[in-house]
Amino acid sequence: DIQMTQSPSSLSASVGDRVTITCRASQDIRDDLGWYQQKPGKAPKRLIYAASSLESGVPSRFSGSGSGTEFTLTISSLQPEDFATYYCLQHNSFPPTFGQGTRLEIK
Amino acid sequence: EVQLVESGGGLVQPGGSLRLSCAASGFIFSTFGMNWVRQAPGKGLEWVSYISSGSSTIYYADSVKGRFTISRDNAKNSLNLQMNSLRDEDTAVYYCARDRVVVTATPFDYWGQGTLVTVSS
Repeated sequence: DIQMTQSPSSLSASVGDRVTITCRASQDIRDDLGWYQQKPGKAPKRLIYAASSLESGVPSRFSGSGSGTEFTLTISSLQPEDFATYYCLQHNSFPPTFGQGTRLEIK
Repeated sequence: EVQLVESGGGLVQPGGSLRLSCAASGFIFSTFGMNWVRQAPGKGLEWVSYISSGSSTIYYADSVKGRFTISRDNAKNSLNLQMNSLRDEDTAVYYCARDRVVVTATPFDYWGQGTLVTVSS
């Protein structure tokens, strides 16, 4: 199975901050990666697909980059509604595997 | 509008069984693969099972292999998960999530709202 190592596991930041979350894959997954936002009691919502493509309707302050084994999700200027948990997901090969999650909290 | 609505969750004793369903609408269900993903309370996301559009290809996570059975009814736009021999560690919110229609597309784009399964005596 492909292991996805996500960091940090938690992050405290302020409104307006720029934050970056990283996922590392245990082997080459090309760009077969998505980023998801999850709020308490809600289903995950996809923000980024194919590593760097922004989902329709998602604010442009979210961006993704990377390919192969190293990927990043960047939020350029945090807004109050962005405080949530974020996950990466690789779908290059079965089983699909998630990162452990990053809990983004208000400082 | 794509909609996925899970049902069937509830409280069950260890060793018991439960059948989850996911009703799909707003897309041509019979052309998409489908997945089940679960999330234990306070924990991360775990993929559980996949079924191809025509049911010819099925995969399971090792943690549920031999106990869970995924199936679909394309005539009824319905995805199912039969869960037998349930264990405490199967307690989770179970989500259905759409896969892809062609290899070049990307899976896990739409998710249902989830249904809670609690395994406890």
